[in-house]
Amino acid sequence: NFMLTQPHSVSESPGKTVTISCTRSSGSIASNYVQWYQQRPGSAPTTVIFEDNERPSGVPDRFSGSIDSSSNSASLTISGLKTEDEADYYCQSYDSINSLVFGGGTKVTVL
Amino acid sequence: QVQLQESGPGLVKPSETLSLTCTVSGDSISTYYWSWIRQPPGKGLEWIASISYSGSTNLSPSLKSRVTISLDTSKNQFSLKLSSVTAADTAVYYCARHPTVTLDYWGQGTLVTVSS
Repeated sequence: NFMLTQPHSVSESPGKTVTISCTRSSGSIASNYVQWYQQRPGSAPTTVIFEDNERPSGVPDRFSGSIDSSSNSASLTISGLKTEDEADYYCQSYDSINSLVFGGGTKVTVL
Repeated sequence: QVQLQESGPGLVKPSETLSLTCTVSGDSISTYYWSWIRQPPGKGLEWIASISYSGSTNLSPSLKSRVTISLDTSKNQFSLKLSSVTAADTAVYYCARHPTVTLDYWGQGTLVTVSS
């Protein structure tokens, strides 16, 4: 199995852009889709990005996802940061459809 | 509207077996894949186990010796059993649906505390 490593926390001012990385320990990041979940305190996670760069309906286009094979990592970018974006964010990938792997999570603070 | 609801004891004694059920409404348990995920207080998400519509299972390597996951199609439910629990198993336990590799519907979560 592989691991996904995220920074513990990032912070930025309203209106700015933050990028969260998710680095895969072994195997190619491009070989399995990466999803991103937002979790606010006391709530279950919700999907903000699926299949590397797809947004579910209802998720603003301020959220975008990408992968970078050179660094073997995926990234979640939030532009035009809002106070409501303050939350924990988790990346997730898989070995097979029913063998899932989560990153450790990143706390986003809007200053 | 798909909804998932976890149920089970909120307190389990050390060395005993934790048992949780996820009741699904708005979809048939005989489709897609279904997972259990947990989150210790103040920590990150950990995938525990998945079961397919046909009953095939996959378990986290770190927990597989203690985990059982099963389907009850007659009740549209799936269940988790975790044996020989310790305080380290204290967590919010979530059930979730994944038609592909994305967890698209989650239960609200249930806190299970392991304590004597």
